[in-house]
Amino acid sequence: DQQVKQNSPSLSVQEGRISILNCDYTNSMFDYFLWYKKYPAEGPTFLISISSIKDKNEDGRFTVFLNKSAKHLSLHIVPSQPGDSAVYFCAASARSSASKIIFGSGTRLSIRP
Amino acid sequence: GAVVSQHPSRVICKSGTSVKIECRSLDFQATTMFWYRQFPKQSLMLMATSNEGSKATYEQGVEKDKFLINHASLTLSTLTVTSAHPEDSSFYICSAQRLAGTLETQYFGPGTRLLVL
Repeated sequence: DQQVKQNSPSLSVQEGRISILNCDYTNSMFDYFLWYKKYPAEGPTFLISISSIKDKNEDGRFTVFLNKSAKHLSLHIVPSQPGDSAVYFCAASARSSASKIIFGSGTRLSIRP
Repeated sequence: GAVVSQHPSRVICKSGTSVKIECRSLDFQATTMFWYRQFPKQSLMLMATSNEGSKATYEQGVEKDKFLINHASLTLSTLTVTSAHPEDSSFYICSAQRLAGTLETQYFGPGTRLLVL
């Protein structure tokens, strides 16, 4: 039973355009959400996070949006750059869960010239 | 940024043998380390939470006698896959959290690919 779902296994976006990666969750106890970026042969690295008390968090080219009623979040990257090509994992946690992070299956983003 | 290493990066072993994977936090002390496994094109599945000096907490469905975890110091946790079988072939990845750290300061190792023949 996947509690965090990323339904698009891959996404291709032209350089300079906006990349939108989507994520859905089922557990209403989740109150903190994170996005990670992963290159081959490396571990995931933290990108951006959002608390459930907010609906938007922005950090440079990266913005995460949270829609609690729909149990949906998205990561926007604009403008997309070649170095953004990687696998992006959506993840969620509940404050009561002692730092356990539940991951989605990832979306492979490819930025084409 | 903080660095977490794993050793070995890949290992091939025969069915029935045991394999030990090390996870080290190189430049910080980690009271808590986490072990995940990832099957191809699937999510990282949390296997267990390891606290220094105490027994690991295993997720539902993970056999604690099969996946032995030891967190003997603030910089080292080990995962031993005992009597490995082909279905244990997977990508194993650890993360380490700083003392009094936040979710954002949970740093991941590069992973260990295990292939059981």
